[in-house]
Amino acid sequence: ILNVEQSPQSLHVQEGDSTNFTCSFPSSNFYALHWYRWETAKSPEALFVMTLNGDEKKKGRISATLNTKEGYSYLYIKGSQPEDSATYLCAVRDDKIIFGKGTRLHILP
Amino acid sequence: GAVVSQHPSWVICKSGTSVKIECRSLDFQATTMFWYRQFPKQSLMLMATSNEGSKATYEQGVEKDKFLINHASLTLSTLTVTSAHPEDSSFYICSARPASVVDTQYFGPGTRLTVL
Repeated sequence: ILNVEQSPQSLHVQEGDSTNFTCSFPSSNFYALHWYRWETAKSPEALFVMTLNGDEKKKGRISATLNTKEGYSYLYIKGSQPEDSATYLCAVRDDKIIFGKGTRLHILP
Repeated sequence: GAVVSQHPSWVICKSGTSVKIECRSLDFQATTMFWYRQFPKQSLMLMATSNEGSKATYEQGVEKDKFLINHASLTLSTLTVTSAHPEDSSFYICSARPASVVDTQYFGPGTRLTVL
């Protein structure tokens, strides 16, 4: 895996709106994809680990999907709340783990 | 959930001095710990993987004599930046993997190093 791309880099969303962002990766030699939420001055917190094409995971208002054939994962947040403001990191593992630069999400009150 | 601490959370040092950063798993045993570095607006980059009781495995381009890693117990790994230079200024973050789980790592909060 050469590169893990996350888009957009930054996102402003009105409180109550739903949103989603993308993690793209080369689809060869894929083993697992991780999503983390990273609040300022805190430790990154694991959200999901996905390994199989078509995987869908959900945790409260946050869900994620995985398409290993085309090399992308979406993270969805439904009904955004101020506490969702954070940087969301995607990491993809084949023989080593490669992180994207993250999507910084700002929830506007 | 599992907690990993890092100390110090920030440090400022003079060029040429050495700085030690500690990473501790507080409520679980970590056979493997990872050290990452993040420059501004860049991704977390894996520097090295440390296994308890053995030598660390360094990623390509990371000088093992400059970034000394010790993982002497199942709950503690240390990273020592030797003879630090301004270009070593960065955010260093560790993670720890529990003995029983392969695909999970718990991160510390990171250490901001500034070398003057």
